Amino acid sequence: AQSVTQLDSQVPVFEEAPVELRCNYSSSVSVYLFWYVQYPNQGLQLLLKYLSGSTLVKGINGFEAEFNKSQTSFHLRKPSVHISDTAEYFCAVIKNSGNTPLVFGKGTRLSVIA
Amino acid sequence: DADVTQTPRNRITKTGKRIMLECSQTKGHDRMYWYRQDPGLGLRLIYYSFDVKDINKGEISDGYSVSRQAQAKFSLSLESAIPNQTALYFCATSDSGLGIGEQFFGPGTRLTVL
Repeated sequence: AQSVTQLDSQVPVFEEAPVELRCNYSSSVSVYLFWYVQYPNQGLQLLLKYLSGSTLVKGINGFEAEFNKSQTSFHLRKPSVHISDTAEYFCAVIKNSGNTPLVFGKGTRLSVIA
Repeated sequence: DADVTQTPRNRITKTGKRIMLECSQTKGHDRMYWYRQDPGLGLRLIYYSFDVKDINKGEISDGYSVSRQAQAKFSLSLESAIPNQTALYFCATSDSGLGIGEQFFGPGTRLTVL
């Protein structure tokens, strides 16, 4: 079975500073990886995904993530955050066969401080 | 109009009452899911359905049941609500074709069981 560990439950950061949200996964088979974002009082929406190819993937709102197979990690980064990035971020994994549901991490709450 | 809708958006009920949460989608997706979100626990899968005749338990199905009335409709029932079922509930959809792992979420239903 797949599992996801998000190493930080809360990350406070000052506006315009860089941020990294960490995600590690465990799986015995090949997987696809995702980051979802949940803004206050909303459902989740897809931020970016890694399916294959380049290990550096770019998403919406200036976020990017790097897939590292040897370290089984998929960390999310942004070079300069804005107040509007305050949200909860979820890392997720799915077997690349697609015949099982997504498995989500427990989330990281990013708080951007003015 | 929203692609994934949930009704009701908020519900307060008493212990022992039967509750139904409804989800409808206009995306034409074959797969639908029910999750609950609790602070610090992330999203936990309750039930999922890969097509109209397919229903599967998730990691926390006890105390819940579902019905897939049509491709576009997936309902979640709490037969006898209890206080620890107080949570935010999300419905999601995905397509088994090109969009493996990409899920689209409804706005959520906030359920309070007194």
